[in-house]
Amino acid sequence: AQSVAQPEDQVNVAEGNPLTVKCTYSVSGNPYLFWYVQYPNRGLQFLLKYITGDNLVKGSYGFEAEFNKSQTSFHLKKPSALVSDSALYFCAVSGQTGGFKTIFGAGTRLFVKA
Amino acid sequence: KAGVTQTPRYLIKTRGQQVTLSCSPISGHRSVSWYQQTPGQGLQFLFEYFSETQRNKGNFPGRFSGRQFSNSRSEMNVSTLELGDSALYLCASSFGAGGFQETQYFGPGTRLLVL
Repeated sequence: AQSVAQPEDQVNVAEGNPLTVKCTYSVSGNPYLFWYVQYPNRGLQFLLKYITGDNLVKGSYGFEAEFNKSQTSFHLKKPSALVSDSALYFCAVSGQTGGFKTIFGAGTRLFVKA
Repeated sequence: KAGVTQTPRYLIKTRGQQVTLSCSPISGHRSVSWYQQTPGQGLQFLFEYFSETQRNKGNFPGRFSGRQFSNSRSEMNVSTLELGDSALYLCASSFGAGGFQETQYFGPGTRLLVL
């Protein structure tokens, strides 16, 4: 069965500092990995995804993520955090088993302090 | 291009009632998925429809059902509401033919409160 873990409920970072939001996954076969962001009272917005190819994926709003097959990780990163990045971040995995569905992590709340 | 729309945005019901939520996907998208989001359980997959057929289903009781129409619009129904059904219900659409690789585009959600 596929699963995804976000080990941190919350990440605090100062504005201008780099940020990392962690994600590890478990899936049979090749993984398809996604990051979504949710602002208060809104639905989820797509940030980036890894399907195949280059391990470093660049996405919206300056975010990027690195796929690490040996560590089964897909951590979200940004070189310089903004206060407006404060939101709830979800990692998700789709796999070739379990049908056409995406499993989401529990979410990590990011607080960026000015 | 218009995004995914969900109606109503807010709903208050009492235990035992039933409710129907509606979702209109992005034009051209044929897959619609439904999720339940709660503080305790996070995002949980309910079901997914593609071309009017339920293609996949999560682990929810039979009180939760859905359907998709020929124009790809989808509805989900919850019967005999329980307090624990209070949640944000999110709808997401995608083209559908690309399978696992596809990005899902989410609506703003319907917040259901069961009293």
